[in-house]
Amino acid sequence: LAKTTQPISMDSYEGQEVNITCSHNNIATNDYITWYQQFPSQGPRFIIQGYKTKVTNEVASLFIPADRKSSTLSLPRVSLSDTAVYYCLVGPMNYGGSQGNLIFGKGTKLSVKP
Amino acid sequence: GAVVSQHPSRVICKSGTSVKIECRSLDFQATTMFWYRQFPKKSLMLMATSNEGSKATYEQGVEKDKFLINHASLTLSTLTVTSAHPEDSSFYICSARVAQGQPQHFGDGTRLSIL
Repeated sequence: LAKTTQPISMDSYEGQEVNITCSHNNIATNDYITWYQQFPSQGPRFIIQGYKTKVTNEVASLFIPADRKSSTLSLPRVSLSDTAVYYCLVGPMNYGGSQGNLIFGKGTKLSVKP
Repeated sequence: GAVVSQHPSRVICKSGTSVKIECRSLDFQATTMFWYRQFPKKSLMLMATSNEGSKATYEQGVEKDKFLINHASLTLSTLTVTSAHPEDSSFYICSARVAQGQPQHFGDGTRLSIL
């Protein structure tokens, strides 16, 4: 699976838009980009998944440039409750089995301040 | 939708005890379930993958006789840590997937502490 690189941590204030960028230079043609959120002592929660261009749902947007070597998770108007670790994962959409599992990197610890 | 429940959420037991953790998909049938381990301030590490009715596939370095996985139905998988020792203390998380091509949905984890 493609290796990903994200900032270790980010700070923000309530009400701001937060953009977390993930680099995945070796992304393969059949790889998708998926973001998960994890609060302390909880399991990760699926946020958004995309292949190219832009994907938007009720909680976030995902921007993927044409070369797909990076992606940006955009969280609009963050609140204190958005403080969490955000993981960027890249892999084939048919996740599963020893050959195509989710590989979690170190993630980005987002701290939202009042 | 897509709720995964793990039980217990926390367990403390003596060294040498075997501990069973349950993972249930509450509102969907999961063809595949996954078990992860996460140490403090570290990322999740996949331990094993299990498909309903089949033997689990373990990742390299994970002892299959130590971590017994059973996936007897489409809504339940169990992880048994046999003869647990302090070094097995960790946060164990399961996930479940409806089918290939669908995202994994995670439980809220089990904090295992071996004294």
